[in-house]
Amino acid sequence: AQSVSQHNHHVILSEAASLELGCNYSYGGTVNLFWYVQYPGQHLQLLLKYFSGDPLVKGIKGFEAEFIKSKFSFNLRKPSVQWSDTAEYFCAVSPSSGGYQKVTFGTGTKLQVIP
Amino acid sequence: GAVVSQHPSWVICKSGTSVKIECRSLDFQATTMFWYRQFPKQSLMLMATSNEGSKATYEQGVEKDKFLINHASLTLSTLTVTSAHPEDSSFYICSAREAARPGGYTFGSGTRLTVV
Repeated sequence: AQSVSQHNHHVILSEAASLELGCNYSYGGTVNLFWYVQYPGQHLQLLLKYFSGDPLVKGIKGFEAEFIKSKFSFNLRKPSVQWSDTAEYFCAVSPSSGGYQKVTFGTGTKLQVIP
Repeated sequence: GAVVSQHPSWVICKSGTSVKIECRSLDFQATTMFWYRQFPKQSLMLMATSNEGSKATYEQGVEKDKFLINHASLTLSTLTVTSAHPEDSSFYICSAREAARPGGYTFGSGTRLTVV
């Protein structure tokens, strides 16, 4: 079974600071990787996803993530955060083979951006 | 920490039957629960948002009569797939928001439904 670990539970940054949220997974096969964001009071939204190809994935709102297979990592980055990025961020993984595959979420990282 | 139990984790049913999926918050009160569905090779798609004691709000394109959602208590929400068909086969996952921890969301482990 796969698992996901997000190292930072709570991150506080000033506006314009750079962001990197860690995500590591464990699974014996090939995977699909996701980063989701949940703004206060709202439902989950997809930021970006990796299925195959270029390991550097660009998503919405200036976010990007890099899949490093040798490190089993899929860290989320943004060069300059804004107050509106205050939200909770979830990394998720699912096996890439087969049909309906289970998605496993990390415990989330709460990001607070201070104006 | 907050735990959400989703049951069953895996179910196979015959076409035309109904299946109920439960989502329970074990150690906190969940004022809001979200139900998602994942299609193969895709990300999660929100189906509906349910608030305790009121009718669920369904996303566009989601059939209310097909996917019945009940959130009768602060610790339990259920999704019933009525008259299931093979195209309903999917992975369903719930997420619960803890009232005492604004912004805190916990996900269930998901339910893999296969309709044969």
